[in-house]
Amino acid sequence: GENVEQHPSTLSVQEGDSAVIKCTYSDSASNYFPWYKQELGKGPQLIIDIRSNVGEKKDQRIAVTLNKTAKHFSLHITETQPEDSAVYFCAATIRTALIFGKGTTLSVSS
Amino acid sequence: DTAVSQTPKYLVTQMGNDKSIKCEQNLGHDTMYWYKQDSKKFLKIMFSYNNKELIINETVPNRFSPKSPDKAHLNLHINSLELGDSAVYFCASSSHYNEQFFGPGTRLTVL
Repeated sequence: GENVEQHPSTLSVQEGDSAVIKCTYSDSASNYFPWYKQELGKGPQLIIDIRSNVGEKKDQRIAVTLNKTAKHFSLHITETQPEDSAVYFCAATIRTALIFGKGTTLSVSS
Repeated sequence: DTAVSQTPKYLVTQMGNDKSIKCEQNLGHDTMYWYKQDSKKFLKIMFSYNNKELIINETVPNRFSPKSPDKAHLNLHINSLELGDSAVYFCASSSHYNEQFFGPGTRLTVL
């Protein structure tokens, strides 16, 4: 079945710096790759997603890139702010259910 | 106007008891899910229902039984609760293969 690896597990940056989180997936049939942000005590919330027919997508300070050949996808957050501090999950779809990476705890210090 | 709601938010119970968690979505979605998040924050799919029909049933003990009375509801019943069932359970919904919206979670603690 699908397996999603996510790195790093923790990431600490200074406010204003960029943050990059990387994921790899195993099943070449996966075609939808969302990123979720989870704040303490809340459910995961979608922040950006990309489909397999697109290589890059950007939404303000957040961008996602996808390399289908290498089965890699990455989340890029620019100009980080303290409110970006949270756990971020990448995921890949197989049979409509999301297979999640193990999460990255991002800490942005001011 | 909550999109995906779950009750209760917290559930504390003794080993061996039977409990249920309810989930409702008002988004008009046709697919609903249950995910389990363990103490290490790992999120794993448990079940998926499409139009009230079970389409995904991962390796979950048969003590867990999902029930979908209609497209807007997917409840999770757990029999003979064990210590290892302690986790946060999230309900989610989506329209076909689109974005999944998650509920706020139910923190289950088995003593």
